[in-house]
Amino acid sequence: EPEVTQTPSHQVTQMGQEVILRCVPISNHLYFYWYRQILGQKVEFLVSFYNNEISEKSEIFDDQFSVERPDGSNFTLKIRSTKLEDSAMYFCASNPQGQNTEAFFGQGTRLTVV
Amino acid sequence: ILNVEQSPQSLHVQEGDSTNFTCSFPSSNFYALHWYRWETAKSPEALFVMTLNGDEKKKGRISATLNTKEGYSYLYIKGSQPEDSATYLCASSYSGGGADGLTFGKGTHLIIQP
Repeated sequence: EPEVTQTPSHQVTQMGQEVILRCVPISNHLYFYWYRQILGQKVEFLVSFYNNEISEKSEIFDDQFSVERPDGSNFTLKIRSTKLEDSAMYFCASNPQGQNTEAFFGQGTRLTVV
Repeated sequence: ILNVEQSPQSLHVQEGDSTNFTCSFPSSNFYALHWYRWETAKSPEALFVMTLNGDEKKKGRISATLNTKEGYSYLYIKGSQPEDSATYLCASSYSGGGADGLTFGKGTHLIIQP
């Protein structure tokens, strides 16, 4: 069964460093998303991506964040100059036709900023 | 700010008993309601996506209903089994659907006791 894969599963980084979280969405899906969950809080939407550009972004997704789909298969989230409060589980998701279809989530990358 | 609420926050149910829990969401500009099942260390797994008022969906022993006018959805589990233990997340999307991000509730943590 096709699945969304994320790497790495866990990343520890020093405050101020840049991190890149990687995702391989399901190949025939058209919509891609990043979400995060800070420990004990709700899953929060960060950004959606469609037709090779950002479609929607939340207030969380400021200039510190960027996304790319560099090669038609990978979908990356870059966080520049990480802060302690960026520590969270980051989930990638994809779906074939937008939000009236089920989204498929990866297992997440746990980011720890120290 | 959109707010999706789920209740109860956690629930202990005896094996074999049936149970249900609630998701409430803002009904204005509603587009779709998603239910996910999330086991520890795994990806959230889609259960249902519903868009129309009065929708009812069923998958095995699990079913869900949707009331878009009053802004709530119920998830039902019949004859609970230990493998039903998980966190159940609901999430809603609004306006154009498409690439809109999902707004999640905090989840109902279900524990089935043998």
